[in-house]
Amino acid sequence: AQKITQTQPGMFVQEKEAVTLDCTYDTSDQSYGLFWYKQPSSGEMIFLIYQGSYDEQNATEGRYSLNFQKARKSANLVISASQLGDSAMYFCAMREGVGGADGLTFGKGTHLIIQP
Amino acid sequence: GAVVSQHPSWVICKSGTSVKIECRSLDFQATTMFWYRQFPKQSLMLMATSNEGSKATYEQGVEKDKFLINHASLTLSTLTVTSAHPEDSSFYICSARPLRGASYEQYFGPGTRLTVT
Repeated sequence: AQKITQTQPGMFVQEKEAVTLDCTYDTSDQSYGLFWYKQPSSGEMIFLIYQGSYDEQNATEGRYSLNFQKARKSANLVISASQLGDSAMYFCAMREGVGGADGLTFGKGTHLIIQP
Repeated sequence: GAVVSQHPSWVICKSGTSVKIECRSLDFQATTMFWYRQFPKQSLMLMATSNEGSKATYEQGVEKDKFLINHASLTLSTLTVTSAHPEDSSFYICSARPLRGASYEQYFGPGTRLTVT
């Protein structure tokens, strides 16, 4: 079974609209972390936002917010007021366990295209 | 901010040769470095985890004798692809976890694109 599922291979969104990118995860660990990364065509991985499993508040970073629904094992990324520069691949990822010693498991990604 | 570099950024080599890729944390010390591989239009897959001064831990299905990892210092990890073949052509990305910092922090390098002819 996939640990991270992103069901939207591609999305087209009008500039200035809000975007929700879906992510569900599967783990039996009580302690885990959820990440979202942006990967433009250059290939670099740009960290957007992090949510720890024990964090009660949804994480926010500027125009990015993470809609964390623990019972549903869902960690959707919301981008408010989308911009042309937001066009890229977006990956949801999870690290299981404590301490940060483990690498990340990534979903297949969503290719987001912002249209003017 | 924390910066991780990779060298080279791209490399073309002939089948059967070996290629070394360096991953450096430029302004912080890294307890742990991770190596990922990304095939075209696919996701990143964790290959191995390396800790300074100890042997790397490889993910299932990754050949440790083919992908040699050395983490000789707190700022440098190297990945050597030995006897490379065309199917090893991929984008290799490292990330580094700071010695000091929040447990979730890790910083990615810009990646190395390997093409084996």
